[in-house]
Amino acid sequence: KAGVTQTPRYLIKTRGQQVTLSCSPISGHRSVSWYQQTPGQGLQFLFEYFSETQRNKGNFPGRFSGRQFSNSRSEMNVSTLELGDSALYLCASSLQGQGINSPLHFGNGTRLTVT
Amino acid sequence: EDKVVQSPLSLVVHEGDTVTLNCSYEVTNFRSLLWYKQEKKAPTFLFMLTSSGIEKKSGRLSSILDKKELFSILNITATQTGDSAIYLCDAMGENDMRFGAGTRLTVKP
Repeated sequence: KAGVTQTPRYLIKTRGQQVTLSCSPISGHRSVSWYQQTPGQGLQFLFEYFSETQRNKGNFPGRFSGRQFSNSRSEMNVSTLELGDSALYLCASSLQGQGINSPLHFGNGTRLTVT
Repeated sequence: EDKVVQSPLSLVVHEGDTVTLNCSYEVTNFRSLLWYKQEKKAPTFLFMLTSSGIEKKSGRLSSILDKKELFSILNITATQTGDSAIYLCDAMGENDMRFGAGTRLTVKP
């Protein structure tokens, strides 16, 4: 079974630009969650999608948005990029989703650098 | 506010040592606590704990949960250099999931 796939692996953008990251979950997994990881803040929850609906959301500004398609693939968009958005963005899929005792399966992440 | 605190943040040991990593949590309507190991990029699942006092074991790794005192520990015996990684603790509530900042473990030969 293929694992969680994230694209692109690396991305360099300048302040003010926008970016879209993609995540393909494990086949059969309907929940996709997104996390931001920085050395100082650890793993911060962005949002979770389940069956094309946003089910939970973390404390990030509205510049961070996402969506999920009918095939469970998900995209995350960040608009008006700031230097502080530089981070590793991890996507994770699970069978049933957050809060339902369902372990997460992580992708290798997208390393975003904002200059 | 929900929070998860891991300690220590960083640990350096030598091969063969035993280590104990700590995770304390405050999560509304707690459901389970999970441990992950992150070596390079993708964290990988280690354990899921839902009941107090029941030890989960996998080789040299073991973990236990105390729901009264709201903490969990992860033990690694006879450490090896391949155990070097960041260990993440994740507390799941009914509507929230919180990761700790992680413990960076370095095992020297």
